[in-house]
Amino acid sequence: NAGVTQTPKFQVLKTGQSMTLQCAQDMNHNSMYWYRQDPGMGLRLIYYSASEGTTDKGEVPNGYNVSRLNKREFSLRLESAAPSQTSVYFCAIFLAGAADTQYFGPGTRLTVL
Amino acid sequence: AQKITQTQPGMFVQEKEAVTLDCTYDTSDPSYGLFWYKQPSSGEMIFLIYQGSYDQQNATEGRYSLNFQKARKSANLVISASQLGDSAMYFCAMREGRYGIGSARQLTFGSGTQLTVLP
Repeated sequence: NAGVTQTPKFQVLKTGQSMTLQCAQDMNHNSMYWYRQDPGMGLRLIYYSASEGTTDKGEVPNGYNVSRLNKREFSLRLESAAPSQTSVYFCAIFLAGAADTQYFGPGTRLTVL
Repeated sequence: AQKITQTQPGMFVQEKEAVTLDCTYDTSDPSYGLFWYKQPSSGEMIFLIYQGSYDQQNATEGRYSLNFQKARKSANLVISASQLGDSAMYFCAMREGRYGIGSARQLTFGSGTQLTVLP
């Protein structure tokens, strides 16, 4: 997973609870991303950070906040979880090179009851 | 309009045969990149192959090749000599625009094709 770690791997929340998903990279890359994957669908971008200290909304940002405190870490926070946020969450980093593509962390499977 | 369309929700192929997974895309940006990812049942996203909009030749990576038809806006993935381990969900994705400092470079994904390789 190109040095991208996510914690936790699994989480079950009750409606209204809050939690923070953590993502860390050890490759010193600038750009980091949070995606969600719902059953039977592709990934959709929630938020991204093009560089340390900057964040921007993606396609589905409602209900989420993010924080990029340093180059290494990019966290995703659910302030008041809803069942519609049940999903698998992937963190990704941008790797410049011949393909200039994104490499993904292992994912966090979140269930909101 | 959907930016990435994968019209095959599920595909079956016999082991050792070749299979083509379809992907069409929609963009007005002359600079873009097309990607294929594999997602096995374990859930991780594995990068397979990349094609740039200005690349003259179709991309190849081992048993994977990308059949890029720019005028038709299609970027089909061809897997040759299928193996049982190829059974997985396959996603086509696109990045629009040029690279630059601070640019987002985010990917837009299709809904995926579930490939099953039969013994």
